[in-house]
Amino acid sequence: RKEVEQDPGPFNVPEGATVAFNCTYSNSASQSFFWYRQDCRKEPKLLMSVYSSGNEDGRFTAQLNRASQYISLLIRDSKLSDSATYLCVVTASGTYKYIFGTGTRLKVLA
Amino acid sequence: DVKVTQSSRYLVKRTGEKVFLECVQDMDHENMFWYRQDPGLGLRLIYFSYDVKMKEKGDIPEGYSVSREKKERFSLILESASTNQTSMYLCASGDYEQYFGPGTRLTVT
Repeated sequence: RKEVEQDPGPFNVPEGATVAFNCTYSNSASQSFFWYRQDCRKEPKLLMSVYSSGNEDGRFTAQLNRASQYISLLIRDSKLSDSATYLCVVTASGTYKYIFGTGTRLKVLA
Repeated sequence: DVKVTQSSRYLVKRTGEKVFLECVQDMDHENMFWYRQDPGLGLRLIYFSYDVKMKEKGDIPEGYSVSREKKERFSLILESASTNQTSMYLCASGDYEQYFGPGTRLTVT
């Protein structure tokens, strides 16, 4: 079983739609969680950290479910510019190491 | 804003050549990282450094070495490049959240 798993997609959604991605992780000792966004042939860019209480940044909401070992990303009112690959990242307790999922591809259609 | 720069965006080398990839960060981070990214495999950690002259192997260190002589600079070295090292190489720095450089697309022919 992979340490971090994501549905590769693509998720094709119309502009204005709400879309959600989940990411499961296998190590229950994982302590830190992040979502990154990666555009085609560009570097990953930090979208948001994921806190235990959940957090929101504009149209983006991230949630953590420790009991079921998954994190989620919700995007409301999708824009064409949201089209990208979204990478889930998990770190293990006491390490600097990031473990990346292979990403979920989102296409927002006009 | 955090800035991480990499020495080249594109590089073409021949099999057997020694290749140096350099990364510089301007945020005084203790930790720096080298990854490679390949289609279907995602990002994989090659090496990381948590202090000057300190390094640790990541998940795929074979065929690579690193050097960190100054805090802001972390170099990745391919001692003898091979075609299976053709990839996108990404440097990152950060003490909690990681910030990536623009990447170097290396082709070994």
